[in-house]
Amino acid sequence: KAGVTQTPRYLIKTRGQQVTLSCSPISGHRSVSWYQQTPGQGLQFLFEYFSETQRNKGNFPGRFSGRQFSNSRSEMNVSTLELGDSALYLCASSLRRQGGNEKLFFGSGTQLSVL
Amino acid sequence: TQLLEQSPQFLSIQEGENLTVYCNSSSVFSSLQWYRQEPGEGPVLLVTVVTGGEVKKLKRLTFQFGDARKDSSLHITAAQPGDTGLYLCAGAFTGNQFYFGTGTSLTVIP
Repeated sequence: KAGVTQTPRYLIKTRGQQVTLSCSPISGHRSVSWYQQTPGQGLQFLFEYFSETQRNKGNFPGRFSGRQFSNSRSEMNVSTLELGDSALYLCASSLRRQGGNEKLFFGSGTQLSVL
Repeated sequence: TQLLEQSPQFLSIQEGENLTVYCNSSSVFSSLQWYRQEPGEGPVLLVTVVTGGEVKKLKRLTFQFGDARKDSSLHITAAQPGDTGLYLCAGAFTGNQFYFGTGTSLTVIP
């Protein structure tokens, strides 16, 4: 079974630009969550999508947005990039079963550098 | 402000030594997970604990969830170079939103 696939692997952008990151979950997984990882703040939750609807949202500005398609693939968009947006962006998929205790399966991430 | 604080932040030990990593919070979680992340990769789930006082073993790794479900520990016996990595705890209240700890970077020297 293929794992979680994130593209691109590396990305370099300049301030003010926008970027779109892609995530393909494990087959059969309908929940996709996005996290930002930086050396200073660690792993921070961005948002979760399930059945094409945003279910949870972390404490990030509106410049960070996402969507999920009917095949469960998800995209994350960051507009008006700032230097502080440089980070590893991780996508995690899960089954989102009733009762919680979810197991998150992470992709290898997209390393975004903003110059 | 991090909900989950891990200690120590960095740990460098010799192969064969034992170690314990702590994950502490003032919040009560419905479940707590431990992950290991290697450079250039995403975190990989090691274990999930859900019951206060629960102890789980995974080969040389022993995980414990505090009685009050606010803290957890990871103990590694006879560490090996393959144990090197970033260890992360993550707690959930409900649903699928996980709060990750500050991380413990472990280096095991051969």
